[in-house]
Amino acid sequence: DTAVSQTPKYLVTQMGNDKSIKCEQNLGHDTMYWYKQDSKKFLKIMFSYNNKELIINETVPNRFSPKSPDKAHLNLHINSLELGDSAVYFCASSQAGEQGAQHFGDGTRLSIL
Amino acid sequence: AQKVTQAQTEISVVEKEDVTLDCVYETRDTTYYLFWYKQPPSGELVFLIRRNSFDEQNEISGRYSWNFQKSTSSFNFTITASQVVDSAVYFCALSVHGGSQGNLIFGKGTKLSVKP
Repeated sequence: DTAVSQTPKYLVTQMGNDKSIKCEQNLGHDTMYWYKQDSKKFLKIMFSYNNKELIINETVPNRFSPKSPDKAHLNLHINSLELGDSAVYFCASSQAGEQGAQHFGDGTRLSIL
Repeated sequence: AQKVTQAQTEISVVEKEDVTLDCVYETRDTTYYLFWYKQPPSGELVFLIRRNSFDEQNEISGRYSWNFQKSTSSFNFTITASQVVDSAVYFCALSVHGGSQGNLIFGKGTKLSVKP
């Protein structure tokens, strides 16, 4: 069974649209993350979230918002998509006490036309 | 502020050669964790190793070995007898204890190409 799963794997859409990427983990972890990997392969944290606290990287535009219906899910909503949002988005999860031992999903490649 | 530097952007070797990927980190925290991840051409991120700041023992796992030296703030990764399947982008990362719930700060990655 896949530990961290993201859907869709590929997302092609037009500028100005609103889209969501779903993430689910079945590891029982209490913290989930979203990372963005740009065209130069640079990986950067966007959000981290557990049931107590959402931490937002200050460089992330407020068009991006994470939504967590429960501990096992952290979805990423993006409003008014822009060309610069084209990237691969990775979801990850970890357990408190296992500092940084994050398990990653396979990524969602978002392409804005 | 924390930072991870992987000075080697790309490395190309011939199969069976040994190769070392360099990683230098910066942090003022005394408790921190270091990681290596592999990203093959298929795109997923594969966890390779985690080291905490109090454990400077070198680690070996098959053809992989890691050299952690606090004196030089380095956490280098060596692949012995490289194989074509080792071709990937390798990321070194840092996490600070208690900081931002363990967010990983990544280096820019080193692309390793192993030619037959």
